[in-house]
Amino acid sequence: NAGVMQNPRHLVRRRGQEARLRCSPMKGHSHVYWYRQLPEEGLKFMVYLQKENIIDESGMPKERFSAEFPKEGPSILRIQQVVRGDSAAYFCASSPGAAQETQYFGPGTRLLVL
Amino acid sequence: QKEVEQDPGPLSVPEGAIVSLNCTYSNSAFQYFMWYRQYSRKGPELLMYTYSSGNKEDGRFTAQVDKSSKYISLFIRDSQPSDSATYLCAMSGTNTGNQFYFGTGTSLTVIP
Repeated sequence: NAGVMQNPRHLVRRRGQEARLRCSPMKGHSHVYWYRQLPEEGLKFMVYLQKENIIDESGMPKERFSAEFPKEGPSILRIQQVVRGDSAAYFCASSPGAAQETQYFGPGTRLLVL
Repeated sequence: QKEVEQDPGPLSVPEGAIVSLNCTYSNSAFQYFMWYRQYSRKGPELLMYTYSSGNKEDGRFTAQVDKSSKYISLFIRDSQPSDSATYLCAMSGTNTGNQFYFGTGTSLTVIP
C-alpha cells in the first residue's frame, strides 16, 4: 500500500524560473493538503484541495503560487517566478475524507532557488 | 503569539530514559491533537492522535491532553536510539478549517 508520493524529491531552480511540485495521494484518499516548512519553523498550511476543487487556500501567497488537483493525475503546486525566499521543503498530505486527525504526509520536495 | 508553542530543544537523553515532549496552545477551539515524528530529510509520520482531553497509549508512547490548561504531552518510555528524531505536535478543530496547526518541533537524541 503505497503512501503519499511526491516528486521530484529535490528541485533546483534559478530565480525567475517556474517550479512544479507533484503529489499523488494515498490510494483511496481524495483530499490533499500542501504545507511549507522553512528552516527552524513548523509546517505552515498553504492549501486544501479535493478533486477539481480548491476548498481552502487561505495559506497561499496571493501572487505566484497556485495549486490544482485535477480529475485525473496528481495534485500540482506551481510556483511562478521563484525567488530565493521560496527555498523550503514542501510537503503534501492526504486524507480519506475531511477528517481532522488523519492527514498522512509524503516525503516532501526540497526546493532550492539559486 | 503563535497558535502552538513547542520547545525546540535539542533534547538529549540516555537510552532507556523516559522522554517528555510538550506543547501549549492558545486557541480553545482545537479539539484534535496529533503527534508526528520526522526523521531528518523525511516527511512527518503520524504517531498518535487524541480527541479532546484525556490519555491515549500505544506501545511505548502515551499522549496526554489537558484542554483546561491548553497543554499536551507525549511520553516515550524506554527510549531507543531509533527514537532520535524531531517530534511535531499538531492541532485542529471543527471550526478552525481543515488545516493542521503545527509546533516548530522538538529535536530528540537518544544516546546508546
